[in-house]
Amino acid sequence: DADVTQTPRNRITKTGKRIMLECSQTKGHDRMYWYRQDPGLGLRLIYYSFDVKDINKGEISDGYSVSRQAQAKFSLSLESAIPNQTALYFCATSDLTSGRGNEQFFGPGTRLTVL
Amino acid sequence: RKEVEQDPGPFNVPEGATVAFNCTYSNSASQSFFWYRQDCRKEPKLLMSVYSSGNEDGRFTAQLNRASQYISLLIRDSKLSDSATYLCVVSRPGGKLIFGQGTELSVKP
Repeated sequence: DADVTQTPRNRITKTGKRIMLECSQTKGHDRMYWYRQDPGLGLRLIYYSFDVKDINKGEISDGYSVSRQAQAKFSLSLESAIPNQTALYFCATSDLTSGRGNEQFFGPGTRLTVL
Repeated sequence: RKEVEQDPGPFNVPEGATVAFNCTYSNSASQSFFWYRQDCRKEPKLLMSVYSSGNEDGRFTAQLNRASQYISLLIRDSKLSDSATYLCVVSRPGGKLIFGQGTELSVKP
């Protein structure tokens, strides 16, 4: 079984709709991250969380919100989706206590299309 | 200027070739350095960390030059299975990772 899972894997939605992307991990890691990937731009950090109820903005948080209600779950919401939020979204985890706190483990990604 | 910049690619090489990827970073306070590999439409996975003394893992050699803020990855005897996008990654103080845009490698028979 995958250690980091994301649901849904693919989603097509319309402009103005609210959508939530879910991320779950069984690695027991304390840190979780949401990125988006666009062609030619690499991965960009949206939000990150170092512990339950800890939320921090990344480079491109506008238009997004997150929730970390449990250590194993980190959800990303688009309150009112717009077409330029069409992208591949990745969740990632890392573990500060392992001594390799900078290595991140990624979920399989969610391909989101906003029409 | 992007904080992490890589060779634009793509690199198209025959099997058995040696290929080198270059990366520069602009934040002198960067603490840790990595190469990740990403297969088409899949998630990035850590290939190797990069240490100041340079490090090798089989056919892969990574080098770091802190003075020049430059990182490299050398792949020797390239295989078809090496075809992927290679991401140069740098961590800021506090642990956030900054990703380069990636360099695509295609190894042909």
